[in-house]
Amino acid sequence: EDQVTQSPEALRLQEGESSSLNCSYTVSGLRGLFWYRQDPGKGPEFLFTLYSAGEEKEKERLKATLTKKESFLHITAPKPEDSATYLCAVQARWGKLQFGAGTQVVVTP
Amino acid sequence: AAGVIQSPRHLIKEKRETATLKCYPIPRHDTVYWYQQGPGQDPQFLISFYEKMQSDKGSIPDRFSAQQFSDYHSELNMSSLELGDSALYFCASSLRVSTDTQYFGPGTRLTVL
Repeated sequence: EDQVTQSPEALRLQEGESSSLNCSYTVSGLRGLFWYRQDPGKGPEFLFTLYSAGEEKEKERLKATLTKKESFLHITAPKPEDSATYLCAVQARWGKLQFGAGTQVVVTP
Repeated sequence: AAGVIQSPRHLIKEKRETATLKCYPIPRHDTVYWYQQGPGQDPQFLISFYEKMQSDKGSIPDRFSAQQFSDYHSELNMSSLELGDSALYFCASSLRVSTDTQYFGPGTRLTVL
């Protein structure tokens, strides 16, 4: 059975304090791994898609990497506006996304 | 840029009533997905449509049905509502049923009293 596990569950950072979020997965035939950001009561906002091991993508203070078993989302010098829940999702077949439980990130000034 | 539109944004229903949620995908997107997100939970896949045909089905109760119309908008019909159906319902769209990115709408918050 496909599984997606995110860690830590919650992360509290000081502004400027870099850190990494982990997403480990077990899936039969990974077609894509997705990172989304979700604010309370809002829809997930797309960040990155990674397709193959070794791939990296960057956007502002965020960088996503992928290996055969896990993905990391690195947050460099975070700001308070980076506070959100970060969701990892895998796609194994027919477009369906299976999400992890998310990492809730709080960045304090 | 145009985004996914969902209506209504909020809906309050009594138990055993019926609800209809609507989703308008991003223009030119041909695939629609529905997800349910309970309080403090991650989104759970319900059902998807590609070119107006059901393409996949997840943990969708038999009380729920959905369809995609000729203009690609989709409707999720929920009958005999239960308290446990209270959740955020998201629609997402993509260009094709592949690894193309799914873009999510703002969601419909359904409260069943």
